[in-house]
Amino acid sequence: EVQLLESGGALVQPGGSLRLSCTASGFTFSTYFMNWVRQAPGKGLEWVSVISGNGGRTYYAASVRGRFTTSRDNSKNTMYLQMSSLGAEDTAVYYCAKGISSIVAVPDAYWGQGTLVTVSS
Amino acid sequence: QSVLTQPPSASGTPGQRVIISCSGSTSNIGSNFVHWYQQLPGTAPKLLIYRNDLRPSGVPDRFSGSKSGTSASLAISGLRSEDEADYYCATWDDSLSVVFGGGTKLTVL
Repeated sequence: EVQLLESGGALVQPGGSLRLSCTASGFTFSTYFMNWVRQAPGKGLEWVSVISGNGGRTYYAASVRGRFTTSRDNSKNTMYLQMSSLGAEDTAVYYCAKGISSIVAVPDAYWGQGTLVTVSS
Repeated sequence: QSVLTQPPSASGTPGQRVIISCSGSTSNIGSNFVHWYQQLPGTAPKLLIYRNDLRPSGVPDRFSGSKSGTSASLAISGLRSEDEADYYCATWDDSLSVVFGGGTKLTVL
């Protein structure tokens, strides 16, 4: 059974940093693109970033480029989102989502339960 | 402002057929597959349709997808109360990003 479990969400002050983790099981982790998608309270889904199976390619939304870094450790079946220079606009539930395939990056049926990041003083 | 345009709301009565549209451009929908997600309140999104018109196992055939040019549609037939949810379209954009629609809130009257 495919499972994705995010962790690391917290209350952080504006300008601060935070690292989220997404631990996967039930599939060959290193084969698939993996995404971060966030949802601000009462708002729609916003794609944040995607990383290729071997970690060699990463792509980011314009809203986070230069502040967020996505990485993965395939030996631990874990993906990370390092966030810095956080602002109130980054407050959201952050989901990790498995890509459809090794070629198609868009999220498929498997999403984590989400972890809440709140940026506030 | 989302790259993909969806109507913010849609509604129908039980048993009706509802269609939700998703409009994009040549750099996204026009050249890539479209996928649809259903999000019930307080839960993670669920994949409903992938690669324009394919249903994952377990998704009822009341849900169908189509694509033409730079637009796509999700049709829900035989509307049921449990279909009340938010629906999102998504695709790859050739600017090297995943793009989502702004979401459509479906109300079953």
